[in-house]
Amino acid sequence: EVQLVESGGGLVQPGGSLRLSCRASGFTFRSYEMNWVRQAPGKGLEWVSYISSTSSVIYYTDSVKGRFSISRDNAKNSLYLQLYSLRAEDTAVYYCAREVFSSSPQGLDYWGQGTLVTVSS
Amino acid sequence: QSVLTQPPSASGTPGQRVNISCSGGSSNIGSNPVNWYQQLPGTAPKLLIYNNNQRPSGVPDRFSGSKSGTSASLAISGLQSEDEADYYCAAWDDSLNGPHWVFGGGTKLTVL
Repeated sequence: EVQLVESGGGLVQPGGSLRLSCRASGFTFRSYEMNWVRQAPGKGLEWVSYISSTSSVIYYTDSVKGRFSISRDNAKNSLYLQLYSLRAEDTAVYYCAREVFSSSPQGLDYWGQGTLVTVSS
Repeated sequence: QSVLTQPPSASGTPGQRVNISCSGGSSNIGSNPVNWYQQLPGTAPKLLIYNNNQRPSGVPDRFSGSKSGTSASLAISGLQSEDEADYYCAAWDDSLNGPHWVFGGGTKLTVL
């Protein structure tokens, strides 16, 4: 059974940092591209970042460029998102999501349960 | 404001057919497959349709997707009370500023 389990969320002050983790199981993690998607309270889904299976290709949404850093450790079946210089508008549930196994982007077929990041003084 | 445009709400009675639209542009829906997600209250999104009209294993065939040009549509037939949820469309965007996933703002489906 495919499972994605996020951790690392919590309450942080504006300007602070946090590291989110996503532990994968039930599939060959090193073969899949991964993403982080967030959802602010009561709002819709917002894509945050993408990383290829080998970490050779990385993308970010404009609002987090220079502040967030995505990475993965295929030996540990884990995906990470390092959050720096956090702002109130970064408050959201952060989901890790696996891409459909394909040569082109076709969808995100498995999602974790999410981890809540709250940025507040 | 979301890159993909969806109606904020939709409704239907049990047994009815409901359609949810999703409008985009040439760099996203016009160039790449559309996918749809269902999000029940308090839960993570679930992939409902990928590659425009493909259903993952376990998704009932009451759910179907279609795409034409820069627009897409999700159809739910034989509406059931458990279909009450938020629905999001998404597509990869080949933006010159950097490729990325884009989502619609979501459609809240109410089963009357």
